Amino acid sequence: AQSVAQPEDQVKVAEGNPLTVKCTYSVSGNPYLFWYVQYPNRGLQFLLKYITGDNLVKGSYGFEAEFNKSQTSFHLKKPSALVSDSALYFCAVRDMIRMDSSYKLIFGSGTRLLVRP
Amino acid sequence: DGGITQSPKYLFRKEGQNVTLSCEQNLNHDAMYWYRQDPGQGLRLIYYSQIVNDFQKGDIAEGYSVSREKKESFPLTVTSAQKNPTAFYLCASSSSRDRVEGTDTQYFGPGTRLTVL
Repeated sequence: AQSVAQPEDQVKVAEGNPLTVKCTYSVSGNPYLFWYVQYPNRGLQFLLKYITGDNLVKGSYGFEAEFNKSQTSFHLKKPSALVSDSALYFCAVRDMIRMDSSYKLIFGSGTRLLVRP
Repeated sequence: DGGITQSPKYLFRKEGQNVTLSCEQNLNHDAMYWYRQDPGQGLRLIYYSQIVNDFQKGDIAEGYSVSREKKESFPLTVTSAQKNPTAFYLCASSSSRDRVEGTDTQYFGPGTRLTVL
């Protein structure tokens, strides 16, 4: 079965410092991986996705993610954190069991990012 | 959140009541989804629909019902059979083009917070 894990419940960084939010996955076959961000009492916003190709994926708001097949990881990164980046971040993987003509997304439990001024 | 609306933002339910959560999208997406979010658990799939007049159970469908009479609308009813309905409910949709490409980027509405009194 496909699964995704976010090993850290919370990450704290100072503004201006680089940030990393970790995600590891377990899939059979090629993984399709996603990152979403959620601000308080809001829906999820799509940040970026990995399908194939370059291991470094660039997304919205200056975020990027590095796909590492040997380590089965897809960590989210940003070179310089902003206070406004403080939010809940979810990693997701596409489930390879087809739902009719589509695929299910399996979400991690989320990582809360706190950026200190 | 653009293109997908959910109402109401907050909803209070008495024991034994059925309540219906609205989800509307103007993105011309074929597929729509309902998720439930509980603290520390990520998102869990309740129901999904690929086309009008068709829908399938997700992982936690018991106590919920849906309809898909129009492409742009996918309302969720939380019935009195749902024993622990207090949660944040998120609606999402995805493009048929994304499904053809096999990536299924899901876009989310702003959510409805349901509280049982």
